[in-house]
Amino acid sequence: AQKITQTQPGMFVQEKEAVTLDCTYDTSDQSYGLFWYKQPSSGEMIFLIYQGSYDEQNATEGRYSLNFQKARKSANLVISASQLGDSAMYFCAMIPPKGAGSYQLTFGKGTKLSVIP
Amino acid sequence: GAGVSQSPSNKVTEKGKDVELRCDPISGHTALYWYRQSLGQGLEFLIYFQGNSAPDKSGLPSDRFSAERTGGSVSTLTIQRTQQEDSAVYLCASSPAGLEQYFGPGTRLTVT
Repeated sequence: AQKITQTQPGMFVQEKEAVTLDCTYDTSDQSYGLFWYKQPSSGEMIFLIYQGSYDEQNATEGRYSLNFQKARKSANLVISASQLGDSAMYFCAMIPPKGAGSYQLTFGKGTKLSVIP
Repeated sequence: GAGVSQSPSNKVTEKGKDVELRCDPISGHTALYWYRQSLGQGLEFLIYFQGNSAPDKSGLPSDRFSAERTGGSVSTLTIQRTQQEDSAVYLCASSPAGLEQYFGPGTRLTVT
């Protein structure tokens, strides 16, 4: 079974500063995928970034980067130069390896990020 | 292009009634997922459809829940004899190849 743990229920960051949202995971699979999604108050889940377990380099997408430490089973999201529009819930999620059947996402409980002007 | 759409956006129903929630995936996406988001349980997987394969129903919480996907496109999630604990946001997602999932805006279900 897969499990995602997000230990920060809420975080505050000053506008233009960087912030790190923590995510640790537990799985017995050697192959897996890790995602971060953003959920603003409107409710829609927005894909941010993906990291495959065999990817040697950390994933980056614009201001988002994923600090992947496989040995520690952590996949922290780093948001650089925070903007007011970054205020939202952020979810870390995991998918099982190919061939496992369906690629259903297992989500963490989320972290609510508030950007302060 | 058009994203995943869901209807209705909000649904209020009385305990014991049946409800149907609809999902229109992105055209061409072969995989479709239903999730439920509630305060107490967070985000939970419900059911997965992939092409013409038998659906993965392993996440459905009880036999009151069922879903179908017609013609490999539109999907309907049906909850029979609704209970108050069914109150949640029901999210649908579609995927072209099983990795990145694109979510719809969700249906907020309130059972009174």
